[in-house]
Amino acid sequence: EAGVAQSPRYKIIEKRQSVAFWCNPISGHATLYWYQQILGQGPKLLIQFQNNGVVDDSQLPKDRFSAERLKGVDSTLKIQPAKLEDSAVYLCASSLWGLSGPSTDTQYFGPGTRLTVL
Amino acid sequence: KQEVTQIPAALSVPEGENLVLNCSFTDSAIYNLQWFRQDPGKGLTSLLLIQSSQREQTSGRLNASLDKSSGRSTLYIAASQPGDSATYLCAVDYGNNRLAFGKGNQVVVIP
Repeated sequence: EAGVAQSPRYKIIEKRQSVAFWCNPISGHATLYWYQQILGQGPKLLIQFQNNGVVDDSQLPKDRFSAERLKGVDSTLKIQPAKLEDSAVYLCASSLWGLSGPSTDTQYFGPGTRLTVL
Repeated sequence: KQEVTQIPAALSVPEGENLVLNCSFTDSAIYNLQWFRQDPGKGLTSLLLIQSSQREQTSGRLNASLDKSSGRSTLYIAASQPGDSATYLCAVDYGNNRLAFGKGNQVVVIP
């Protein structure tokens, strides 16, 4: 079974530029998550999708971050414009069940995209 | 707001010793607690998931306990090996599969 795919793996940009990350979840997984992991910290949930609907985006800085999940499969996360403090690893994860699933729903993580903002 | 704390931030142990990693959380209203492993440059791998109604889970050399009332979990790794060197992250599910993570325990097992 193929895992969660993310691209690019690394990205270096200047502040105020735009950047986009792509995620392809495990086939058949209803729920997709984007996390931000700053060096030395644990991952922080940015946005959670169930199929193509947003479940929770309360921690997404909506003035500069946006995300979409077209057709309930792939997802993109965009930052526009980037700030120095956006330097982090952006992790995508997926899980099989939607909100009505069991409490044993394991999340499977991709390798992440490491973003450096100069 | 759910806050998750992991102490110590980093530790080194000689090969063969047992590892004990601690996690605490502020809000006992959790659905489950998970332990993940993270290797440098890689994503997270789920190790153990304990439902809120359970007190422990075991997988091979790994055992995790959960005391929901006191807001604590402990991960035990028996007879540590150099391949166990990694960062271990504790995460609590506070509803709808949303996870709140600790900062992790960075472990080095010395051959």
